[in-house]
Order: sequence, then C-alpha cells, then structure tokens
Amino acid sequence: DAMVIQNPRYQVTQFGKPVTLSCSQTLNHNVMYWYQQKSSQAPKLLFHYYDKDFNNEADTPDNFQSRRPNTSFCFLDIRSPGLGDTAMYLCATSRGGGSGGPNNEQFFGPGTRLTVL
Amino acid sequence: SQELEQSPQSLIVQEGKNLTINCTSSKTLYGLYWYKQKYGEGLIFLMMLQKGGEEKSHEKITAKLDEKKQQSSLHITASQPSHAGIYLCGADHAGTASKLTFGTGTRLQVTL
Repeated sequence: DAMVIQNPRYQVTQFGKPVTLSCSQTLNHNVMYWYQQKSSQAPKLLFHYYDKDFNNEADTPDNFQSRRPNTSFCFLDIRSPGLGDTAMYLCATSRGGGSGGPNNEQFFGPGTRLTVL
Repeated sequence: SQELEQSPQSLIVQEGKNLTINCTSSKTLYGLYWYKQKYGEGLIFLMMLQKGGEEKSHEKITAKLDEKKQQSSLHITASQPSHAGIYLCGADHAGTASKLTFGTGTRLQVTL
C-alpha cells in the first residue's frame, strides 16, 4: 500500500545533541511537509518542499533544518535540541498544484515522538 | 487570535448519541479538510469541502461547509467507541497554496 513512513517512531535525545528524523513516501507526491505538534496543540507547519523548492515558515527556528535528497525522502534535522523541542513531529505529503482542491489533501505519517532530556 | 477555531475543545458523549463539532475560520476558506487523530498517532483524512453549501458523508460522519460564515461542522450520528479521538479541521486560506492551517482540535470521548 502506498503510504508515508516515519522513522523512528520514538526518539529520546539529550539537550544539545543533534538528531535527525526521517520520512519516506511511496505516493510519488510533489510536496512534503514537516509539522511540529506539542501536547494538546494544533500541528504547526515548520517547512515544506515543493519538489526541490524549500519553503521555510517565517517563525521556524534556525535550529530546524530539512533535506530532501529525492522525491521519496525528506529529513528533519534539529541541530541543537532544547527542552522546548519535545513534541510529536509529523511528516505529510500532497500532490500539490493549487488551492482548495483535492491536490491539497495531505497524507500523514504516524509521527515521531521526540523527547529531549 | 487563532486563524481557525474549533468548538468544543472536548466532548464526552454516550454511545449512540449524536454530536456536532464546529470549525470557524477568520479568513476566507478555499478548502476545508477534516482529519481524525488518535493519541500519539498521525492524522487520518476524513473529508474535504470546497464549495459553499457543500455536504459530504462517510459512514456516520457528515461534514458541511457554510462558506458565507466561513464555518464548517462535523456531525456524527449514533456515536460509537471507534469514533473516539481528536478531530482537527485544516483550512486552505487564500494565498497559501499547498499549505494548511490547523485548528487545535476537539477531543471526543464516547462512553458505554
């Protein structure tokens, strides 16, 4: 089945120790997103790739970086995690191609729960 | 203020009862998406609404879009324990192609 896969599902890291979260998709979608969701809060978009074009949200900290080496894979790098970065990180994909239509439907992975100690 | 507000924040209903969740946008809606999230998991797509007055149903869940009011409602008929979870609405606002803004969610519990 076509799907969005995230690894690992759970990650514990130490304050300041770099961590990389992985996302892969078999949907061949153009767009890949990374969201941060803290407890009882809405998912917050960090950035997204439309093909190879990187789109950073204005309020995403510099500590968060992303790489998309090919269509299928996208990585979230947290260079120096702080305690406030403890959250669920969600990867999503969409076909892309315009506002308001089915192309904007986002397919989500199961998430990676990151804990910073 | 939130661009997208959901109400209620949480809801406890008895199995078999009907319920409604609302989502109100402060900006023009170009598309409204409903998702369900179980605790600690990703979001599962339920329905997308695009046109004013549009209504869609899937099993016992019906969603409507009131474009003039920039609101959407999600109605569950004869709730079951399997309906429990967090319901999130996501909005495609004008000028934000390929991006969705999410509400904070409505946590639904269904008691036996």
